[in-house]
Amino acid sequence: EPEVTQTPSHQVTQMGQEVILRCVPISNHLYFYWYRQILGQKVEFLVSFYNNEISEKSEIFDDQFSVERPDGSNFTLKIRSTKLEDSAMYFCASRIDTGPNTEAFFGQGTRLTVV
Amino acid sequence: TQLLEQSPQFLSIQEGENLTVYCNSSSVFSSLQWYRQEPGEGPVLLVTVVTGGEVKKLKRLTFQFGDARKDSSLHITAAQPGDTGLYLCAGGSNYKLTFGKGTLLTVNP
Repeated sequence: EPEVTQTPSHQVTQMGQEVILRCVPISNHLYFYWYRQILGQKVEFLVSFYNNEISEKSEIFDDQFSVERPDGSNFTLKIRSTKLEDSAMYFCASRIDTGPNTEAFFGQGTRLTVV
Repeated sequence: TQLLEQSPQFLSIQEGENLTVYCNSSSVFSSLQWYRQEPGEGPVLLVTVVTGGEVKKLKRLTFQFGDARKDSSLHITAAQPGDTGLYLCAGGSNYKLTFGKGTLLTVNP
């Protein structure tokens, strides 16, 4: 069964460092998303991406964040200068289209710990 | 901002019991989705409800979408320990999902 894969599963970084979280969406999907979940809190939308550009972003997704699809398979989230409060599980998701019955498939997540 | 409130936040029951969890909003959603999330994993879609008043069944799980498309419920019949997990509702637009905080269900053997 096709799945969304994320690497690494766990990343520890020092405050102020740059991190890149990687995702391989399902191959024929066209819409890509990043969400995060701070421990004990709800899953929060960060950004959606279609046709090589951002479709929508939340207020969380400030200038420290960027997304890229550098090739035909990877979808990355970069945090330029990490803060302690960026510690969270980051989930990538993909969908084949945006129909109301179209499932978004989530990856297993990357646990980012900023120390 | 569209908000989804889920209740109860925590629910601990015995195997074989029935339960209902709720997802409420003051906003109208074009669709609502229910996910189940295991610890350390991503959410897995259970069902999407689209039409006001719609009822969908998935084995022992029954999902209902309110007539006004502002609320939804999940009813589990004869809960089993394997049903233990975090149940999330999410409301959609084309480009993002807004999640509730979830109901953490524990089914004790």
